[in-house]
Parts: sequence; C-alpha cells; structure tokens
Amino acid sequence: EPEVTQTPSHQVTQMGQEVILRCVPISNHLYFYWYRQILGQKVEFLVSFYNNEISEKSEIFDDQFSVERPDGSNFTLKIRSTKLEDSAMYFCASKPQVGSTDTQYFGPGTRLTVL
Amino acid sequence: AQSVTQLDSQVPVFEEAPVELRCNYSSSVSVYLFWYVQYPNQGLQLLLKYLSGSTLVESINGFEAEFNKSQTSFHLRKPSVHISDTAEYFCAVTNSGNTPLVFGKGTRLSVIA
Repeated sequence: EPEVTQTPSHQVTQMGQEVILRCVPISNHLYFYWYRQILGQKVEFLVSFYNNEISEKSEIFDDQFSVERPDGSNFTLKIRSTKLEDSAMYFCASKPQVGSTDTQYFGPGTRLTVL
Repeated sequence: AQSVTQLDSQVPVFEEAPVELRCNYSSSVSVYLFWYVQYPNQGLQLLLKYLSGSTLVESINGFEAEFNKSQTSFHLRKPSVHISDTAEYFCAVTNSGNTPLVFGKGTRLSVIA
C-alpha cells in the first residue's frame, strides 16, 4: 500500500541554523500539508500546498518557514533560522483530490530538536 | 473558529474491557469528523470518519464512533479492547474538502493485560 514517507526521522540542530524536512507524498496525490506537534500539545496545521503554490497557511507559518515541491516528488519544509520553540514533531500529509473530503494520509513524522 | 476537545489525556483499561474516548467539537457550520490513531513510532493513520449519512461509523478493527449533532460529540468506542489497541488517538474536524484538519490534544489509550 502506498504511503507518505518523511526524512529524516529525527533531526537535531543548533538554534539559528537552517533545516529542511523532506516528504515524499503518495504519487498521484495533489494536495499537500505540513502539520506540527509540540510535545504534549495539539497537532497544529502549518501550511497547505496545491498546484505549486501555497493554498492556505496558519499564523505559525511566518517568514521563517517556506515550502517547495522541487522535483515533482519531494515536498519540503524549510525553517530558515530555527528557534528553540520550533522543536516539535513535523508531519507531512497528502490528499488525492482537490475539493473532496478524501482522507489526508500522514507520514511518520520528523522529530526536530533545536538546541 | 473550529476547535476539538478531548477531555481525557490518558485512559488505562484492562484487556477485553470496553472503552470510550471522548471528543467534543465546536463549529458553526457543517463538519466532517475523523479519528486518527498513532501507534508508537508511526504516523497518523485514519481509523474512521464521518462525512454524511449514518451517524454511526465503524472501523475494520472493531471501533465505532457516533456523530451527535445536538451534543457536538463524536465519541469513539470499542466493546472489548486488545493489547494491540494501545496507542494515541486523535479526534479531528474540518468543514470542507481542502481546509486543514483541526485536531484535539489526543488521548493515550493504554491496554493492561
């Protein structure tokens, strides 16, 4: 069964460094998302992406964040200058169609630790 | 704005006992409701969903949830749990096809032998 994959599973970085989290959505899916979960808190929406542009973003997704689909298979989340409070589990998700209530399929997550 | 409340952060239960994980939501418009499960070191997997029609929805592994519009609830139940059901369970809501999911804080179900 096809699945969303994410790399790395765990990323440790120093405050102020740039990180790129990578996701490979399911191949025929069209709509992509990033969510994050700070330890002990809710899973929160960051950004959605369709047709090579951001569709919607939350207030968390400020200028330090960016997303890209560089090659038609990968979907990346970049944090330009990490802060301690960026430490969280980051989940990528994808959905087959636009405008339907199809299920969002989630990856296993990347645990980001900022020191 | 939508929100989801999962009242119990942890629920310990003995094997073969029934369990109910509570979920309440707030929304001013029609909703679609989901339960996701996260096993240790894995991603979020869809357990079941309510989109329309019958208010009682079931999963393939014996869980069920009932959409109650008057009580704005979508509680998850299983009549007899197994050790393998030990996981974190997340309730989520959205009001259209593309809008992001709004999640609750999750409930950690621990099944005790």
